[in-house]
Amino acid sequence: DTGVSQDPRHKITKRGQNVTFRCDPISEHNRLYWYRQTLGQGPEFLTYFQNEAQLEKSRLLSDRFSAERPKGSFSTLEIQRTEQGDSAMYLCASSLGGHEQFFGPGTRLTVL
Amino acid sequence: TQLLEQSPQFLSIQEGENLTVYCNSSSVFSSLQWYRQEPGEGPVLLVTVVTGGEVKKLKRLTFQFGDARKDSSLHITAAQPGDTGLYLCAGASKTSYDKVIFGPGTSLSVIP
Repeated sequence: DTGVSQDPRHKITKRGQNVTFRCDPISEHNRLYWYRQTLGQGPEFLTYFQNEAQLEKSRLLSDRFSAERPKGSFSTLEIQRTEQGDSAMYLCASSLGGHEQFFGPGTRLTVL
Repeated sequence: TQLLEQSPQFLSIQEGENLTVYCNSSSVFSSLQWYRQEPGEGPVLLVTVVTGGEVKKLKRLTFQFGDARKDSSLHITAAQPGDTGLYLCAGASKTSYDKVIFGPGTSLSVIP
């Protein structure tokens, strides 16, 4: 299967711990996006990359959040010192540059 | 700030009925996408509309983009239980070409 994959699918952590999520986009897609989605809401934009360059970050992305795409392929999203308010579904999507994005299955984060 | 509103927020109908859901904004979008999302999964792209007044059909689903490119509708004919899910519209931002803004979604439940 050549779709977008995310790992892990579920993560339970204690408040104050650091977590890291991985996203593997569709191989030929040069753009990669991270979103956060809470229950009953649509995905909220966090950041996006074109190849290895991080081109835009949302104001939602506090200093505790960092994302990388070192070789222009997979990407990681790290959350430091997690808080209960960070509990959400973290979605990754990729595209070839148009507006159509292809999403992964998401990583469900629960902060206790 | 560009915002997308969707209505209704929730919809529960019997199998075989028809329905329409709406996506509205005060902003003009260069394109608009519709996605369907099932619980615990990422959104799946259904269609992209680009031209004002455009109508696209996908089997029992009919999508329309408003003439002014500020709104869109999704009509489902003879709904089936497999149509159950969260329907999201997403507009490509005029201020940031690569940034897509999502609406809050319409949660559809089709009862057998």
